[in-house]
Order: sequence, then structure tokens, then C-alpha cells
Amino acid sequence: GDSVTQMEGPVTLSEEAFLTINCTYTATGYPSLFWYVQYPGEGLQLLLKATKADDKGSNKGFEATYRKETTSFHLEKGSVQVSDSAVYFCALSDTYSSASKIIFGSGTRLSIRP
Amino acid sequence: DGGITQSPKYLFRKEGQNVTLSCEQNLNHDAMYWYRQDPGQGLRLIYYSQIVNDFQKGDIAEGYSVSREKKESFPLTVTSAQKNPTAFYLCASSPPDRSYGYTFGSGTRLTVV
Repeated sequence: GDSVTQMEGPVTLSEEAFLTINCTYTATGYPSLFWYVQYPGEGLQLLLKATKADDKGSNKGFEATYRKETTSFHLEKGSVQVSDSAVYFCALSDTYSSASKIIFGSGTRLSIRP
Repeated sequence: DGGITQSPKYLFRKEGQNVTLSCEQNLNHDAMYWYRQDPGQGLRLIYYSQIVNDFQKGDIAEGYSVSREKKESFPLTVTSAQKNPTAFYLCASSPPDRSYGYTFGSGTRLTVV
């Protein structure tokens, strides 16, 4: 079946540092790819998405490019802020099942130091 | 504004009691999902429903039950058979379009004492 692997955390950076969180996937078809963010005590929010190869999703200074040749969807931000501290989940739409399910990675906790 | 409402935000129950968590959406989404999240962990799928009056077990359905009598509502009952019910429970919904993604509720934190 389809799967998502993302880098383990926690990731700790200083404010204004460059961020990369790696995500790779395995899929039999052509999934849509997503990044979700979860702030403490809250539900998940869709951060950005890409629906086909070479698409770039972007939101709030975060970017990720759908790379079919490397089966990757790495999350990047040029200058992080303390308010970016959260857990980030990479995910893909299940291409194996007939149901419209999403498969989530295990999450990466990001902490930003002032 | 459309969205998903989970209630209550915090719930305390005594061991051995059944408890029902509410999930309501006004997004007109066909599919709804329940996930469990333990501290520092990822999401685990409990149950999901693609249409009214139909639902399927996820990866950890034992000790849980659901119903889907209305499109807007997908309540989750945590039964006394669930051995470790203390967790954060998240409800989500989605339309049939796989590229849309999920919309999540704000979660219910259940503590069993």
C-alpha cells in the first residue's frame, strides 16, 4: 500500500533560520500531496498541497514541490519565526483504496528559539 | 462559516463507563473520519464513513463504535472494552475529490480516571 516517511524530530532552530523537513512517499498511482500543521492542543490545519508532479504548494512563507522523480515533497521556509513552532505532518491521498482516505506521516515536531 | 465542530473539548470519565464524542460538520462533505492521537505520536485511524448509514473499521477499531445516521454527524462511542481510552480524538471530513484533503475539528481530549 501507499506510505509516507518524514524526518524524525524534534527539530530545533533559531529564529530566522532556514527550515527543511524531508518527506518521501511510496504510491502505486498519482497521489495528491499535503502538509498539515498542528499547534499545541489543536486539530490539524492544511498548510499547503500539490496535486500533480512539479506543482509547488505555498502558504505563509512555506513551500513544497511535488517531485515525482525522487518521490519527495520536502517542506521549506526561508526564515522561521517562533510562531512556527508546531508539529508538521506530510500526507498523501491514498491511491490504492477506493475510499478517499489520506495517509499521514508520523509528524515532525519543530521548536524555534527566540 | 463552514467547518467541523467537536464537543466537548475536554471530557473526563470514570473507568468502565461508555462515553460518546460528538462530531458535526456543515461542509456538505460525504466522508467523515475519526483518529486517535497519543502524546508525541502520529494519527491512527479508528473508523471512517464514506456515505450515510455505512462505515468501515480503521486500524484500531477495537473498543470503539460509530454511527452515521445523518450526513452532518458522525459520533464516536468509546466503550468500556477500550483498554487505554485516554487520548486526543480528532474528527475530519472530506469531499469525494481526493485532491481536496481533510478538514479537521479542534479535537476532544478524553481522560479516563
